Amino acid sequence: EDKVVQSPLSLVVHEGDTVTLNCSYEVTNFRSLLWYKQEKKAPTFLFMLTSSGIEKKSGRLSSILDKKELFSILNITATQTGDSAVYLCAGNSGNTPLVFGKGTRLSVIA
Amino acid sequence: GAVVSQHPSRVICKSGTSVKIECRSLDFQATTMFWYRQFPKQSLMLMATSNEGSKATYEQGVEKDKFLINHASLTLSTLTVTSAHPEDSSFYICSANRQGLDSPLHFGNGTRLTVT
Repeated sequence: EDKVVQSPLSLVVHEGDTVTLNCSYEVTNFRSLLWYKQEKKAPTFLFMLTSSGIEKKSGRLSSILDKKELFSILNITATQTGDSAVYLCAGNSGNTPLVFGKGTRLSVIA
Repeated sequence: GAVVSQHPSRVICKSGTSVKIECRSLDFQATTMFWYRQFPKQSLMLMATSNEGSKATYEQGVEKDKFLINHASLTLSTLTVTSAHPEDSSFYICSANRQGLDSPLHFGNGTRLTVT
């Protein structure tokens, strides 16, 4: 059975800290891994990773995929209170629905 | 801008009534849409896959007669919660992706259903 495991489940940091969120996956016929940010409403798309070793970057957020070790990390540098959210990781096999992890709840305190 | 539109964003209904939630793909056609349910502080739980022109595929444990899904066009899927009960109160989210296996899934803004 396909599964995605995220760690830690929750994290509290101070503004300015750098955080690393982890995602490991076991997805049959894996095609891509996706990261989403969920605040009070529905998840918003952050990154889609298909190739190993190529870092994707958007402002203070970056992510990378390791297809050999079957994991991905999401880094957030110089965290701000607005980064507080649940970060979801999902594995995509292309022909079946995404397999989501349980998420990491990040709280950034001033 | 938004690529998936969901309506209503919030609904309160009485026990025993039915509620319809609409999910529309904007500026693209979606042969497949997905319906999720999310309880407080929990991850997304896939309820069903909505297929345009055919029956929806329900996940194990989801009652198809309770949660009616209709995907009558390439841009619209609806979820009807029939004879709603307080335990159906939850956050329902639809999603769709543009054509192509490598396009990311986009979510509607969700519908918070409260059954009194």
